[in-house]
Amino acid sequence: DGGITQSPKYLFRKEGQNVTLSCEQNLNHDAMYWYRQDPGQGLRLIYYSQIVNDFQKGDIAEGYSVSREKKESFPLTVTSAQKNPTAFYLCASSTDGHSNQPQHFGDGTRLSIL
Amino acid sequence: GNSVTQMEGPVTLSEEAFLTINCTYTATGYPSLFWYVQYPGEGLQLLLKATKADDKGSNKGFEATYRKETTSFHLEKGSVQVSDSAVYFCALSSGGGADGLTFGKGTHLIIQP
Repeated sequence: DGGITQSPKYLFRKEGQNVTLSCEQNLNHDAMYWYRQDPGQGLRLIYYSQIVNDFQKGDIAEGYSVSREKKESFPLTVTSAQKNPTAFYLCASSTDGHSNQPQHFGDGTRLSIL
Repeated sequence: GNSVTQMEGPVTLSEEAFLTINCTYTATGYPSLFWYVQYPGEGLQLLLKATKADDKGSNKGFEATYRKETTSFHLEKGSVQVSDSAVYFCALSSGGGADGLTFGKGTHLIIQP
């Protein structure tokens, strides 16, 4: 079955540590996205990528970094500069980034601070 | 900028009741509109969409009509079930869509038997 796989499901970060969240899709989609979900705040866009080797900052990119070396992979690194990283992180993809195309979501990674 | 406002929850209904979750939006141009559903511990699933004014999206008994004159996209269902308990998000996409979706804060729906 085609879909988006996020791993790990749960992740813990120590002070001063960088952690990387994995996102892989086998839908052959060009566009990929990372969102952060906090209780009562909906989802906010961190980074997005329309094509391999290209990505753009979203609304809350500070303290995060991404790469897009392969079409199917869009990992997110939460750096030590992100002072409040505890949240639920969702990866999504869409066929070509056009506005009438829906986004497909993974099952998320829950990040907590030790 | 773009924004989506949806009714605060939780919304608690009895099984077989009629459901309306209000959603209004502010956007430049002609956005596409979506409803997503999130079950506990999971990601978001697309429930329905509408891409132009007066379009009606429907799926699994849920419906929503794109009303440009009132900038609204209210979600309705005639008879809810316990299995419909979840968080529902209204969202829009504009400017080509590649810059992501703008979401409302979500409405937690609880259906009691």
